[in-house]
Amino acid sequence: DGGITQSPKYLFRKEGQNVTLSCEQNLNHDAMYWYRQDPGQGLRLIYYSQIVNDFQKGDIAEGYSVSREKKESFPLTVTSAQKNPTAFYLCASSIGQGTPLGEQFFGPGTRLTVL
Amino acid sequence: KQEVTQIPAALSVPEGENLVLNCSFTDSAIYNLQWFRQDPGKGLTSLLLIQSSQREQTSGRLNASLDKSSGRSTLYIAASQPGDSATYLCAAVMDSNYQLIWGAGTKLIIKP
Repeated sequence: DGGITQSPKYLFRKEGQNVTLSCEQNLNHDAMYWYRQDPGQGLRLIYYSQIVNDFQKGDIAEGYSVSREKKESFPLTVTSAQKNPTAFYLCASSIGQGTPLGEQFFGPGTRLTVL
Repeated sequence: KQEVTQIPAALSVPEGENLVLNCSFTDSAIYNLQWFRQDPGKGLTSLLLIQSSQREQTSGRLNASLDKSSGRSTLYIAASQPGDSATYLCAAVMDSNYQLIWGAGTKLIIKP
């Protein structure tokens, strides 16, 4: 079955630690996205990538980093510089390059908690 | 500032009722609008995508409409069921910058 997988489902981070969230898709989509979701708020875009080896900052990129070495994979690293990382993180993909014009498909999410 | 608003934030109705969820946007120059469903602790499931040239889209008991002139989209759910209980989010892609702007969602509870 085609889809997007995220791992782990739950992640706990100690103060000062960097952690990496995995996102893999087998939909053959060019574009991939990372969102953060906080209670009662809309999704906020962290980073997006329209093609392999290229990515752009979203609205709240500070304290996060990404890489796009393969079309299928778009891992997100939450660094110690992110002061309030506790949130639900969602990865998405869409077909086509250039702009987020296409229908977005989402993974199941990773809940990150800072201890 | 471009904004997407969903009111109310929560809605509770008896099973079997037809209901309408609202999504308002401040900039009428949208490229498309998408409705999603999110179950607690889960990712988002795409329900319907409406292009700016379309007036409505239908999928089963769901019908989404788009009125750019009034800056409004509605999601109509017919014959609601307890399994429809979830948070429903809308997101609009703006013509000006192709950014995807999200609403905060409406939490829907269908009472058996």
